[in-house]
Amino acid sequence: GDSVTQMEGPVTLSEEAFLTINCTYTATGYPSLFWYVQYPGEGLQLLLKATKADDKGSNKGFEATYRKETTSFHLEKGSVQVSDSAVYFCALATGANSKLTFGKGITLSVRP
Amino acid sequence: DGGITQSPKYLFRKEGQNVTLSCEQNLNHDAMYWYRQDPGQGLRLIYYSQIVNDFQKGDIAEGYSVSREKKESFPLTVTSAQKNPTAFYLCASSYRDSEAGNTIYFGEGSWLTVV
Repeated sequence: GDSVTQMEGPVTLSEEAFLTINCTYTATGYPSLFWYVQYPGEGLQLLLKATKADDKGSNKGFEATYRKETTSFHLEKGSVQVSDSAVYFCALATGANSKLTFGKGITLSVRP
Repeated sequence: DGGITQSPKYLFRKEGQNVTLSCEQNLNHDAMYWYRQDPGQGLRLIYYSQIVNDFQKGDIAEGYSVSREKKESFPLTVTSAQKNPTAFYLCASSYRDSEAGNTIYFGEGSWLTVV
Protein backbone atom coordinates (compact mmCIF):
# COMPACT_ATOMS: atom_id res chain seq x y z
CA GLY A 1 0.00 0.00 0.00
CA ASP A 2 0.88 3.67 -0.05
CA SER A 3 3.28 4.99 2.58
CA VAL A 4 5.22 8.10 3.51
CA THR A 5 8.50 8.12 5.40
CA GLN A 6 9.80 11.24 7.12
CA MET A 7 13.17 11.76 8.72
CA GLU A 8 13.37 11.22 12.47
CA GLY A 9 12.98 14.19 14.73
CA PRO A 10 12.81 16.45 16.57
CA VAL A 11 14.83 19.11 14.82
CA THR A 12 16.17 22.16 16.63
CA LEU A 13 17.67 25.08 14.69
CA SER A 14 18.80 28.59 15.38
CA GLU A 15 16.93 31.46 13.76
CA GLU A 16 18.05 32.15 10.16
CA ALA A 17 19.44 28.63 9.73
CA PHE A 18 18.75 26.57 6.59
CA LEU A 19 16.08 23.89 6.94
CA THR A 20 15.72 20.57 5.14
CA ILE A 21 13.14 17.99 6.16
CA ASN A 22 13.34 14.77 4.19
CA CYS A 23 10.29 12.93 2.88
CA THR A 24 10.15 9.85 0.67
CA TYR A 25 7.12 7.91 -0.48
CA THR A 26 5.89 4.63 -1.88
CA ALA A 27 2.75 4.68 -3.98
CA THR A 28 0.96 2.93 -6.79
CA GLY A 29 0.20 5.23 -9.67
CA TYR A 30 1.11 8.90 -9.64
CA PRO A 31 0.39 10.55 -6.31
CA SER A 32 -0.07 14.17 -5.44
CA LEU A 33 2.25 15.28 -2.65
CA PHE A 34 1.63 17.67 0.22
CA TRP A 35 3.27 19.32 3.19
CA TYR A 36 1.00 20.25 6.09
CA VAL A 37 1.98 22.24 9.18
CA GLN A 38 0.45 21.99 12.65
CA TYR A 39 0.99 24.74 15.20
CA PRO A 40 0.59 23.86 18.89
CA GLY A 41 -2.98 22.96 19.83
CA GLU A 42 -4.33 23.53 16.33
CA GLY A 43 -5.46 21.55 13.33
CA LEU A 44 -3.42 21.08 10.17
CA GLN A 45 -2.88 23.74 7.53
CA LEU A 46 -1.77 23.10 4.00
CA LEU A 47 1.71 24.52 3.50
CA LEU A 48 2.32 23.55 -0.12
CA LYS A 49 1.60 20.84 -2.66
CA ALA A 50 2.71 19.42 -6.01
CA THR A 51 0.56 17.30 -8.27
CA LYS A 52 3.02 15.98 -10.87
CA ALA A 53 6.66 15.14 -11.31
CA ASP A 54 9.13 18.06 -11.31
CA ASP A 55 6.51 20.46 -9.96
CA LYS A 56 7.74 22.76 -7.20
CA GLY A 57 5.37 23.81 -4.48
CA SER A 58 6.17 26.96 -2.53
CA ASN A 59 4.63 29.09 0.21
CA LYS A 60 5.87 31.38 3.01
CA GLY A 61 9.50 30.81 1.96
CA PHE A 62 9.17 27.02 2.04
CA GLU A 63 9.74 24.96 -1.09
CA ALA A 64 9.53 21.31 -2.10
CA THR A 65 10.09 19.66 -5.47
CA TYR A 66 8.32 16.49 -6.61
CA ARG A 67 11.13 14.09 -7.58
CA LYS A 68 9.73 11.00 -9.23
CA GLU A 69 13.13 9.40 -9.84
CA THR A 70 13.97 9.44 -6.13
CA THR A 71 10.33 9.29 -4.91
CA SER A 72 11.02 12.26 -2.69
CA PHE A 73 9.43 15.57 -1.69
CA HIS A 74 11.92 17.22 0.67
CA LEU A 75 10.90 20.46 2.38
CA GLU A 76 13.39 23.35 2.43
CA LYS A 77 13.56 26.89 3.73
CA GLY A 78 16.53 29.17 3.40
CA SER A 79 16.14 31.06 6.69
CA VAL A 80 13.85 29.80 9.44
CA GLN A 81 12.13 32.00 11.99
CA VAL A 82 10.96 31.32 15.53
CA SER A 83 7.39 31.44 14.20
CA ASP A 84 8.14 28.38 12.02
CA SER A 85 8.25 26.20 15.14
CA ALA A 86 5.59 23.56 14.53
CA VAL A 87 5.02 19.96 13.49
CA TYR A 88 5.43 19.27 9.77
CA PHE A 89 3.69 16.41 7.98
CA CYS A 90 4.41 15.04 4.55
CA ALA A 91 1.46 13.35 2.85
CA LEU A 92 0.33 11.85 -0.42
CA ALA A 93 -2.97 11.23 -2.19
CA THR A 94 -3.71 8.84 -5.03
CA GLY A 95 -6.83 8.02 -6.96
CA ALA A 96 -10.10 9.81 -7.22
CA ASN A 97 -11.03 10.00 -3.57
CA SER A 98 -8.13 12.23 -2.50
CA LYS A 99 -7.78 10.69 0.95
CA LEU A 100 -4.38 11.39 2.42
CA THR A 101 -1.68 9.06 3.68
CA PHE A 102 0.54 10.85 6.21
CA GLY A 103 4.07 10.47 7.45
CA LYS A 104 4.63 10.48 11.20
CA GLY A 105 5.44 14.17 11.33
CA ILE A 106 8.49 15.94 12.62
CA THR A 107 8.69 18.63 15.28
CA LEU A 108 10.73 21.71 14.40
CA SER A 109 11.89 24.08 17.13
CA VAL A 110 13.61 27.32 16.19
CA ARG A 111 15.66 29.16 18.82
CA PRO A 112 16.01 32.96 18.81
CA ASP B 1 -16.18 32.93 7.27
CA GLY B 2 -16.00 29.58 5.51
CA GLY B 3 -14.44 26.73 7.34
CA ILE B 4 -14.71 23.54 9.31
CA THR B 5 -16.05 23.65 12.85
CA GLN B 6 -15.40 20.86 15.30
CA SER B 7 -16.99 20.61 18.71
CA PRO B 8 -16.38 20.18 21.51
CA LYS B 9 -12.73 21.19 21.66
CA TYR B 10 -12.19 19.11 24.81
CA LEU B 11 -14.22 16.09 25.89
CA PHE B 12 -13.88 13.68 28.76
CA ARG B 13 -15.45 10.25 28.57
CA LYS B 14 -15.98 7.63 31.22
CA GLU B 15 -15.21 4.02 30.51
CA GLY B 16 -18.11 2.33 28.71
CA GLN B 17 -19.67 5.49 27.35
CA ASN B 18 -20.28 6.43 23.77
CA VAL B 19 -19.44 9.99 22.75
CA THR B 20 -20.12 11.91 19.56
CA LEU B 21 -17.80 14.51 18.04
CA SER B 22 -19.41 17.09 15.80
CA CYS B 23 -18.00 18.30 12.48
CA GLU B 24 -19.69 20.92 10.32
CA GLN B 25 -18.37 22.57 7.15
CA ASN B 26 -19.72 25.45 5.10
CA LEU B 27 -17.22 25.11 2.24
CA ASN B 28 -19.69 23.20 0.03
CA HIS B 29 -17.26 20.30 -0.04
CA ASP B 30 -18.48 16.90 -1.14
CA ALA B 31 -15.97 14.78 0.76
CA MET B 32 -15.39 14.65 4.49
CA TYR B 33 -12.89 12.70 6.60
CA TRP B 34 -12.08 11.79 10.18
CA TYR B 35 -8.47 11.29 11.29
CA ARG B 36 -7.02 10.29 14.61
CA GLN B 37 -3.69 11.72 15.80
CA ASP B 38 -1.50 10.05 18.38
CA PRO B 39 1.95 11.30 19.43
CA GLY B 40 4.68 9.93 17.17
CA GLN B 41 2.24 8.14 14.87
CA GLY B 42 1.09 10.83 12.52
CA LEU B 43 -2.52 10.83 11.39
CA ARG B 44 -4.56 7.75 10.66
CA LEU B 45 -7.80 7.68 8.69
CA ILE B 46 -10.88 6.46 10.57
CA TYR B 47 -13.74 7.01 8.10
CA TYR B 48 -14.40 9.05 4.99
CA SER B 49 -17.42 10.03 2.95
CA GLN B 50 -17.49 11.11 -0.67
CA ILE B 51 -21.21 11.94 -0.90
CA VAL B 52 -24.25 12.20 1.32
CA ASN B 53 -25.57 8.90 2.69
CA ASP B 54 -22.39 7.05 1.80
CA PHE B 55 -19.18 6.46 3.75
CA GLN B 56 -16.25 4.03 3.80
CA LYS B 57 -13.99 2.64 6.50
CA GLY B 58 -10.48 3.93 6.72
CA ASP B 59 -7.49 2.21 8.26
CA ILE B 60 -8.66 2.18 11.89
CA ALA B 61 -12.49 2.12 11.80
CA GLU B 62 -13.01 -0.45 14.56
CA GLY B 63 -14.81 1.05 17.56
CA TYR B 64 -16.04 4.09 15.61
CA SER B 65 -19.19 4.93 13.67
CA VAL B 66 -20.24 7.82 11.43
CA SER B 67 -23.23 9.15 9.55
CA ARG B 68 -23.58 11.51 6.59
CA GLU B 69 -27.19 12.63 6.44
CA LYS B 70 -26.33 16.15 5.30
CA LYS B 71 -23.60 17.42 3.03
CA GLU B 72 -22.26 19.82 5.64
CA SER B 73 -22.19 17.43 8.61
CA PHE B 74 -20.15 14.32 9.40
CA PRO B 75 -20.38 13.37 13.11
CA LEU B 76 -18.10 10.73 14.59
CA THR B 77 -19.21 8.46 17.43
CA VAL B 78 -16.53 6.87 19.55
CA THR B 79 -18.13 3.77 20.98
CA SER B 80 -17.29 1.79 24.10
CA ALA B 81 -15.78 -0.83 21.79
CA GLN B 82 -12.86 1.49 21.03
CA LYS B 83 -10.22 0.23 23.46
CA ASN B 84 -7.89 3.19 23.46
CA PRO B 85 -9.90 6.29 22.51
CA THR B 86 -7.77 8.96 24.14
CA ALA B 87 -6.44 10.99 21.20
CA PHE B 88 -6.73 14.15 19.14
CA TYR B 89 -9.43 13.84 16.47
CA LEU B 90 -9.33 15.86 13.28
CA CYS B 91 -12.15 16.37 10.81
CA ALA B 92 -11.38 17.40 7.24
CA SER B 93 -13.13 18.08 3.96
CA SER B 94 -12.37 18.55 0.27
CA TYR B 95 -13.93 18.87 -3.16
CA ARG B 96 -14.36 15.58 -4.94
CA ASP B 97 -13.61 15.10 -8.58
CA SER B 98 -11.67 12.73 -10.77
CA GLU B 99 -8.29 14.28 -10.01
CA ALA B 100 -6.27 13.43 -6.94
CA GLY B 101 -4.56 16.44 -5.45
CA ASN B 102 -7.59 18.32 -4.20
CA THR B 103 -6.56 20.17 -1.09
CA ILE B 104 -7.97 18.71 2.10
CA TYR B 105 -8.84 21.31 4.73
CA PHE B 106 -8.80 20.53 8.43
CA GLY B 107 -10.75 21.67 11.44
CA GLU B 108 -9.15 22.71 14.71
CA GLY B 109 -9.51 19.29 16.26
CA SER B 110 -11.13 17.76 19.32
CA TRP B 111 -9.27 16.32 22.29
CA LEU B 112 -10.91 13.22 23.75
CA THR B 113 -9.72 11.87 27.09
CA VAL B 114 -11.01 8.76 28.82
CA VAL B 115 -11.21 9.14 32.59
